[in-house]
Amino acid sequence: NAGVTQTPKFRVLKTGQSMTLLCAQDMNHEYMYWYRQDPGMGLRLIHYSVGEGTTAKGEVPDGYNVSRLKKQNFLLGLESAAPSQTSVYFCASRASTGTVSNQPQHFGDGTRLSIL
Amino acid sequence: TQLLEQSPQFLSIQEGENLTVYCNSSSVFSSLQWYRQEPGEGPVLLVTVVTGGEVKKLKRLTFQFGDARKDSSLHITAAQPGDTGLYLCAGAWRGDSNYQLIWGAGTKLIIKP
Repeated sequence: NAGVTQTPKFRVLKTGQSMTLLCAQDMNHEYMYWYRQDPGMGLRLIHYSVGEGTTAKGEVPDGYNVSRLKKQNFLLGLESAAPSQTSVYFCASRASTGTVSNQPQHFGDGTRLSIL
Repeated sequence: TQLLEQSPQFLSIQEGENLTVYCNSSSVFSSLQWYRQEPGEGPVLLVTVVTGGEVKKLKRLTFQFGDARKDSSLHITAAQPGDTGLYLCAGAWRGDSNYQLIWGAGTKLIIKP
C-alpha cells in the first residue's frame, strides 16, 4: 500500500541552488496538490493539478514551478532557492469520482527542505 | 480570501480530561474535514461532515458541523496519550471551477500520562 510517495525526505540547499521534489501516487487519482507547512500557518497550497498535462496556481505559487507529465507523478521545482522557502513540503492526491467536495486528500510523508 | 480560524493553537492536558477544538469561518463550506497529523508524517483524514448540524462519533471523538455550515468542533472525551498529535480542520470551498480545501492553522494537542 504505497499511496503517495515523496522523494527526497530531507534536503539541504544553498541559496540560489535549484532542485525538484517528486511526488508519485498509485491510486489513479486525477487531482494532485503541493502544499507547504510552516509552524502556526497550517497548510498553504502552492500549485495543483486536475489531471495529466494541467497545472494551476494556488495560494503561494511564487518561486515554484510544477509539471504533471504523467498522471501518477507531480513534480515541484525550485529554480533559485531562497531561505524563505525553508519548509516542509507535502504532496497530496484525491479522487475525482463521487461527491467531489467530500473526497479526502491523501498525503505523502513530506520533504523537509532547508535553504541556507 | 477564505479563512478558517482554528483554536486553540496549542493544548496540553492530563490524561482523562475532556477537550474541545474549534474551527470558525465567515464562509459557508460544502463540507468540513478533520485530519490528524503525527510527527514526520502527512495528515490523515479522521472524518468528513457534510450536513448542517451533523454530528459524527469516532470512539471518544465527537465531530459537529454548525447549522450554517460555517463552523465545526472536535470534542475528545477522556483524552489518552495516544490522542497526542496535530489536529487540522479543512473546509471544502468551490473556487474558480474546482473544490479547494481551506485549512485551519492546526491545534497541537499533548496528552500527558
